Amino acid sequence: GENVEQHPSTLSVQEGDSAVIKCTYSDSASNYFPWYKQELGKGPQLIIDIRSNVGEKKDQRIAVTLNKTAKHFSLHITETQPEDSAVYFCAAPQKDTGRRALTFGSGTRLQVQP
Amino acid sequence: DADVTQTPRNRITKTGKRIMLECSQTKGHDRMYWYRQDPGLGLRLIYYSFDVKDINKGEISDGYSVSRQAQAKFSLSLESAIPNQTALYFCATSDGQRASGGNQPQHFGDGTRLSIL
Repeated sequence: GENVEQHPSTLSVQEGDSAVIKCTYSDSASNYFPWYKQELGKGPQLIIDIRSNVGEKKDQRIAVTLNKTAKHFSLHITETQPEDSAVYFCAAPQKDTGRRALTFGSGTRLQVQP
Repeated sequence: DADVTQTPRNRITKTGKRIMLECSQTKGHDRMYWYRQDPGLGLRLIYYSFDVKDINKGEISDGYSVSRQAQAKFSLSLESAIPNQTALYFCATSDGQRASGGNQPQHFGDGTRLSIL
């Protein structure tokens, strides 16, 4: 099946700095790459997604970049704030399901220090 | 996401008991999913359903069963619970009507924390 690897598993930054989380995938036919944020006691919430026909997408302080050749995509958070502290998950279509369902990375716990 | 409701939110039970976790949604989505979350392992797919008559196994379906009672309801059962099924369980939905344009975002409930003693 699809293998999605996510790094780092934990990340600590100072408020105002940038944070970058990277994921690699194995299925070259994958065409949809979402990022989810999970706060304590809550379910994951979509924060941004990108399709394979573009290389970058931005939404205010959040951006996602996609390198189809290298099969990796990254989440960039600029000007981090304490409320950005959460666990972040990447995902990609799961080949074994005909790419109808998603495989998730193992998560990155981001801590923004005030 | 208040549009996806999971019950119960917490459950403690004993080995061998039958457990049912319920999920209902008001988003009008036809696709529903059950995931399990363990520390350091992310979310793993248990079962998914693309309409009332469509049920599919995910990567870790052994020991679980599901029922899609209606478009808005998708329940997960553990027929005989065992301690290694202790985990956080999430239900999610997505809009299949727009899927001709590719995968659509999934919307998650707030989870059920299940402990099996």
